[in-house]
Amino acid sequence: AQRVTQPEKLLSVFKGAPVELKCNYSYSGSPELFWYVQYSRQRLQLLLRHISRESIKGFTADLNKGETSFHLKKPFAQEEDSAMYYCALNAMDSNYQLIWGAGTKLIIKP
Amino acid sequence: DAGVTQSPTHLIKTRGQQVTLRCSPKSGHDTVSWYQQALGQGPQFIFQYYEEEERQRGNFPDRFSGHQFPNYSSELNVNALLLGDSALYLCASSSPWGRRFAGELFFGEGSRLTVL
Repeated sequence: AQRVTQPEKLLSVFKGAPVELKCNYSYSGSPELFWYVQYSRQRLQLLLRHISRESIKGFTADLNKGETSFHLKKPFAQEEDSAMYYCALNAMDSNYQLIWGAGTKLIIKP
Repeated sequence: DAGVTQSPTHLIKTRGQQVTLRCSPKSGHDTVSWYQQALGQGPQFIFQYYEEEERQRGNFPDRFSGHQFPNYSSELNVNALLLGDSALYLCASSSPWGRRFAGELFFGEGSRLTVL
């Protein structure tokens, strides 16, 4: 079955420290992975997708098919990064739906 | 562009009642997906509408139904409400699936339903 796992419900780091939010997926085909973010009192929005291989707000994520992971990383955390982060999978044969992880709440301490 | 708009933002119902939630997609989008998000959980896919038809459905009972209008707006209806239906209901719009931006969803702020 297709599944996305975010093992950490809560991650707390100090400002300036590196951040890594973990995401593992279960899918036998060729996946498309996304990170969505929800800042306080804002709507859920796309942060980045693996196919674009871009860095958004200093965040990067690399798809590791061998480890079936798509971890989100940032070398130096900023207070404005505090938010809820969701990893999502577009299983290309799943016909139009995204499979979501439960989310990780990231808190950046000053 | 107002983006995706949903109404109402909050509502309270009692068990057994019926509820209708509404969504207007982002300008230029013709596909609407509905998600249920329980407290502390990620969004769960309910169904997606395209060209006024339900294109795919998640693992939700028939009590959950929907509709899409010619102007691409959509409604989510839930009949015979249960306590477990209490959640945030999110609407998301997108360009047609299969194109370059497949998987990029634009979300509304949600409708928070409380069933007593």
